[in-house]
Amino acid sequence: DAGITQSPRHKVTETGTPVTLRCHQTENHRYMYWYRQDPGHGLRLIHYSYGVKDTDKGEVSDGYSVSRSKTEDFLLTLESATSSQTSVYFCAISESRDSSYEQYFGPGTRLTVT
Amino acid sequence: GDSVTQMEGPVTLSEEAFLTINCTYTATGYPSLFWYVQYPGEGLQLLLKATKADDKGSNKGFEATYRKETTSFHLEKGSVQVSDSAVYFCALKDSGQNFVFGPGTRLSVLP
Repeated sequence: DAGITQSPRHKVTETGTPVTLRCHQTENHRYMYWYRQDPGHGLRLIHYSYGVKDTDKGEVSDGYSVSRSKTEDFLLTLESATSSQTSVYFCAISESRDSSYEQYFGPGTRLTVT
Repeated sequence: GDSVTQMEGPVTLSEEAFLTINCTYTATGYPSLFWYVQYPGEGLQLLLKATKADDKGSNKGFEATYRKETTSFHLEKGSVQVSDSAVYFCALKDSGQNFVFGPGTRLSVLP
């Protein structure tokens, strides 16, 4: 299994509070991604990173920010959590932008915003 | 933009039945195609992949063939087991960093 961990695994927070989720990899892969998974939508890309301090927006980036100060860590921040951000969040990594390279996924973080 | 369509299910089968989960895609260029599986409470795991037309990906008894002419990548297994119960995602990756996932198909296999 690819060395990807996510923390916390579960979190309950109140509307309006900031929340940070952490993804840590031990594979030294260049690309890292944050997705959210909601019923009927599959996985939707929030942000991704193609190197230290290099990030870009995905399909559903509003209300989220990311940072990558080290190769191994990719942080996702909900600046002011809303109930619509209740979801399961997955981090993924990939070695190359080559189309043949698959992604490896972390175990997920279940976030509930009350 | 690129998109992936798959039957959402749920699909319920008896053990040892034949499985087909349909997946079609829309993309510019020549994407790579993937099937991922998600067991309860876990992240997605790569099941198989194909990177060019007519390639067949296979793993653990599952197979899928990249059909460019029908833009399809249907997942098949000849004899399912209870342990195959999971959610299956079809996905594509274009020449950049775009991974696009289908909505997932929940499979339940009954003993």
